[in-house]
Amino acid sequence: DAGVIQSPRHEVTEMGQEVTLRCKPISGHDYLFWYRQTMMRGLELLIYFNNNVPIDDSGMPEDRFSAKMPNASFSTLKIQPSEPRDSAVYFCASALTHGDTQYFGPGTRLTVL
Amino acid sequence: KNEVEQSPQNLTAQEGEFITINCSYSVGISALHWLQQHPGGGIVSLFMLSSGKKKHGRLIATINIQEKHSSLHITASHPRDSAVYICAVKETSGSRLTFGEGTQLTVNP
Repeated sequence: DAGVIQSPRHEVTEMGQEVTLRCKPISGHDYLFWYRQTMMRGLELLIYFNNNVPIDDSGMPEDRFSAKMPNASFSTLKIQPSEPRDSAVYFCASALTHGDTQYFGPGTRLTVL
Repeated sequence: KNEVEQSPQNLTAQEGEFITINCSYSVGISALHWLQQHPGGGIVSLFMLSSGKKKHGRLIATINIQEKHSSLHITASHPRDSAVYICAVKETSGSRLTFGEGTQLTVNP
């Protein structure tokens, strides 16, 4: 298996623009997680899905952030409008079952100018 | 106070030394993860444990549920072990992970 795939790997955009990050989980994994990592706050869980349904989105910073999982093999994290403080590395991870090891993607490094 | 605290924050060792990184947590958990983040940014899951001890190569992870404490040990450390090691706990309710701030390990040749 190719592991968790994220795209793009790097994104540089201007403040106010819409940003869409994409994730393809490992086939057969029922859980998908979106994380954000910054120097100031470390790793933070933003949202996670079980069987394509959002279960806990309490980590989503504000209404500018939204996440969808239209099917078992694809998820998006959208920021609209983006702000410089959104600059971070965004990781997607998937897990086979509840409580199982999470497998991380390579991350998307987002820079908002 | 953070729910998950790691110590030390930074650790420098000489090649061959035995290394211990500690993690303490304050919430009820069902599992604890140790993750390794390479200098390039990739994150790898090293261990997931809920009791006792696990060993993989030169890495050993232990957990004491009563004391809410876990340790990650590296025997015969090597420069390629240089990375950030992150402790994360899965709270009893739900599947979310809560992360420690990480321990930056540098192993010098």
